[in-house]
Amino acid sequence: GIQVEQSPPDLILQEGANSTLRCNFSDSVNNLQWFHQNPWGQLINLFYIPSGTKQNGRLSATTVATERYSLLYISSSQTTDSGVYFCAVFTGTASKLTFGTGTRLQVTL
Amino acid sequence: KAGVTQTPRYLIKTRGQQVTLSCSPISGHRSVSWYQQTPGQGLQFLFEYFSETQRNKGNFPGRFSGRQFSNSRSEMNVSTLELGDSALYLCASRWDSSGGYTFGSGTRLTVV
Repeated sequence: GIQVEQSPPDLILQEGANSTLRCNFSDSVNNLQWFHQNPWGQLINLFYIPSGTKQNGRLSATTVATERYSLLYISSSQTTDSGVYFCAVFTGTASKLTFGTGTRLQVTL
Repeated sequence: KAGVTQTPRYLIKTRGQQVTLSCSPISGHRSVSWYQQTPGQGLQFLFEYFSETQRNKGNFPGRFSGRQFSNSRSEMNVSTLELGDSALYLCASRWDSSGGYTFGSGTRLTVV
């Protein structure tokens, strides 16, 4: 099945810093989503981005489907950005979301 | 509009018991999927239902089952609970075969 790798696995930032999270996938995908898991466990959808670039406030994402990777940019990070960020891909053959192992982000004062 | 609602939020069960978890999707969403999250295995797909039919199933033993009702609400059942079933169970809905998934807050199951 498709493999999804995320890097880095852990990231510690000071408030105000910028960061880039990466997601590599091993096969063609129909859809790709970025999620933020909050401390209570809920997966919050950040972007539905099978290709191209999207922006939402301080967050933006770019997926280059032909090269099989996606990037999540966080600018001017805040403590509320802390948590685990997951990339998940959907393929027609698997007909399910396959998740990466996540990037654990900690933003300190 | 209301999001995906999962009940209960927390559950403690004893080995050998069975448990039923509930998921109400976003109004109008016909697809409901279930995922299990554990520290060791990460997020793993359990099954997906669409219009009351199971469309896809993950690699879990037969003790894990589910169903979907005509109003798109879904339940999953785990029989003969084992300690390893302790996990966060997440439900997600989407409108149809395309589009993004929206997840609920999850049910945290502890088996003692």
